[in-house]
Amino acid sequence: LAKTTQPISMDSYEGQEVNITCSHNNIATNDYITWYQQFPSQGPRFIIQGYKTKVTNEVASLFIPADRKSSTLSLPRVSLSDTAVYYCLVGDMNSGGYQKVTFGTGTKLQVIP
Amino acid sequence: KAGVTQTPRYLIKTRGQQVTLSCSPISGHRSVSWYQQTPGQGLQFLFEYFSETQRNKGNFPGRFSGRQFSNSRSEMNVSTLELGDSALYLCASSSRGQDVGYTFGSGTRLTVV
Repeated sequence: LAKTTQPISMDSYEGQEVNITCSHNNIATNDYITWYQQFPSQGPRFIIQGYKTKVTNEVASLFIPADRKSSTLSLPRVSLSDTAVYYCLVGDMNSGGYQKVTFGTGTKLQVIP
Repeated sequence: KAGVTQTPRYLIKTRGQQVTLSCSPISGHRSVSWYQQTPGQGLQFLFEYFSETQRNKGNFPGRFSGRQFSNSRSEMNVSTLELGDSALYLCASSSRGQDVGYTFGSGTRLTVV
């Protein structure tokens, strides 16, 4: 399974764009990259998933370079409610969902008023 | 549509006792995974079930076990509870081939005293 590395924590002011980068040097051909958000005492919530290039939804954008060894989650104009832990996961969805997925430590984002 | 439902939401048990936690996945989802989350260890994979079969297992002792029923509902059991088993236990379901990752429940907060 591909191991991921993310910054442990980040601070940002309200209204700013936040970019969180995840490194996954040994990503496999069939692996997808998925980001989750978790608030205290709640289960992680799916944010966005991609395989290559750029993916955008109503919440975030995901940028994946051609070599796919890293990815960047971009949150536009963050608010206080975006304060949470963000996890980057890499896994093969086509084999029946993630198998033995390891979440890693995640990035604790603190949004400051 | 209903999300992933975990019961009970909170539980207090005494050392040495056993406990059973329940998870009802999203309708149509056949894959159910269980995770343990503690402040010190983060999110750790316990096991995954698909169509009543355990497909993967994490590095937990045999005191941790699970099963999945024909309706995809899953239970996990922890026998001979230890203080270190105090954690948030999360269940997640997914549909094979679906590109939206896992959907997590809100978890069961287990406290062992």
